Amino acid sequence: KNQVEQSPQSLIILEGKNCTLQCNYTVSPFSNLRWYKQDTGRGPVSLTIMTFSENTKSNGRYTATLDADTKQSSLHITASQLSDSASYICVVKVPGGSQGNLIFGKGTKLSVKP
Amino acid sequence: GAGVSQTPSNKVTEKGKYVELRCDPISGHTALYWYRQSLGQGPEFLIYFQGTGAADDSGLPNDRFFAVRPEGSVSTLKIQRTERGDSAVYLCASSLTVLGGAGELFFGEGSRLTVL
Repeated sequence: KNQVEQSPQSLIILEGKNCTLQCNYTVSPFSNLRWYKQDTGRGPVSLTIMTFSENTKSNGRYTATLDADTKQSSLHITASQLSDSASYICVVKVPGGSQGNLIFGKGTKLSVKP
Repeated sequence: GAGVSQTPSNKVTEKGKYVELRCDPISGHTALYWYRQSLGQGPEFLIYFQGTGAADDSGLPNDRFFAVRPEGSVSTLKIQRTERGDSAVYLCASSLTVLGGAGELFFGEGSRLTVL
C-alpha cells in the first residue's frame, strides 16, 4: 500500500535554531516528492519539489534532500524564524495512481518560540 | 482572481442541514481536488475532477457527500444531512493537469464547516 509517513508529529524549537523534518514513503513507482508549508488557517503552499534524480535542493533557508534508494526525504530549516511556525506536509506523486496521483503525509507541526 | 477562491470561508450549521461549499479554481487549471482536514491532521482526499468528470471519488466518506463541476471550472461540494463529525476544514486545490506535469497543487484558504 502506498503510504507517506512523517516525523516528528510535532516539534518546538527556539528562534534561530535549525531543525530537520523527516518523510518516509513506500510509494512505488515514484514521480516526485513535494514539501508544502501550511500556515495556521491557510491552505498549503509548495516549498520545493524533488524528482528521482535529485539529491538536494535549496529554497532560501529551506533545504530538501531525497534518498530514492531508502525512500526517505528530509526538510532542513536553517536559522529558524517565528514565521516558520506552520505545518509541513510531504506529498508524493505516483504516476497513474488513484487519489489524483498524490499521496499525502499527515504533516509535522513546527512551533518556533522566541 | 489569481488564486483558488473558496466560499464561504466559514459556515456554521445545525445537524441535519444541507450545505454547499464552492470552489473557483485558477483559470485554465483542468484538475480540481477536494480535501478534508481535521485539526492537527493532514489533508484527507475526497474527490478529484479532470475537466467536468469526477475521475476519482473514492475518498467521499458516504453518499451524503457529492461534488459537481458542470462546466469544468467552478466546483461545488454538497453535504446532505450534516453530522457533527463532518466538522472540518474543506480544502480545494487545482492544478494545471493531473496526467504528467510536476503535480503542484494550488490550494484555496479553505471553508471551515462547523456542525452544531
